[in-house]
Amino acid sequence: DQQVKQNSPSLSVQEGRISILNCDYTNSMFDYFLWYKKYPAEGPTFLISISSIKDKNEDGRFTVFLNKSAKHLSLHIVPSQPGDSAVYFCAAFAGNTPLVFGKGTRLSVIA
Amino acid sequence: DSGVTQTPKHLITATGQRVTLRCSPRSGDLSVYWYQQSLDQGLQFLIQYYNGEERAKGNILERFSAQQFPDLHSELNLSSLELGDSALYFCASNERGGETQYFGPGTRLLVL
Repeated sequence: DQQVKQNSPSLSVQEGRISILNCDYTNSMFDYFLWYKKYPAEGPTFLISISSIKDKNEDGRFTVFLNKSAKHLSLHIVPSQPGDSAVYFCAAFAGNTPLVFGKGTRLSVIA
Repeated sequence: DSGVTQTPKHLITATGQRVTLRCSPRSGDLSVYWYQQSLDQGLQFLIQYYNGEERAKGNILERFSAQQFPDLHSELNLSSLELGDSALYFCASNERGGETQYFGPGTRLLVL
């Protein structure tokens, strides 16, 4: 049973445009959500997070939106740059339980 | 560089063998996590240690075991290896447990 789902395995975006990566979850106990970015041959690196008491968190070009009623979050990257090309993992957390990761979305930003 | 180191980077072995993967957490981090990433799969949580003690267990096979030593480094032991164990194995750490984890570069295991 996949508690965190990233339904788009890949996404291709033009440089300078907006990239929107989506994530759905099923466990209503999740109270903290994170996005990780992974380049080939490297481990995932933390990108941005959001607590369930908020609906938006912004950090530079990256914004995460949380819609608790829909159990949906999204990561917006504006403007997209070629260096953003990577695999993005959505992860969710509930109390002291381990992080639950989605399968990832491969973003390709085309120059 | 996250500050988490993992050795070896690559490992090729045969079915039925046993291997040990090593992880050194960031300086000061007490919590170590192990994850497995198989082809087209997300990161599957295996096990967490906190200051030498097992804190949480995920979908870790009985053939797999781990420990965290007094110097806080951790080892993941995989035995009776099968072809399906071929995967990337990541270690992550943080100070006390909690959400944000810092990942090492991973060990790529290939079982032939």
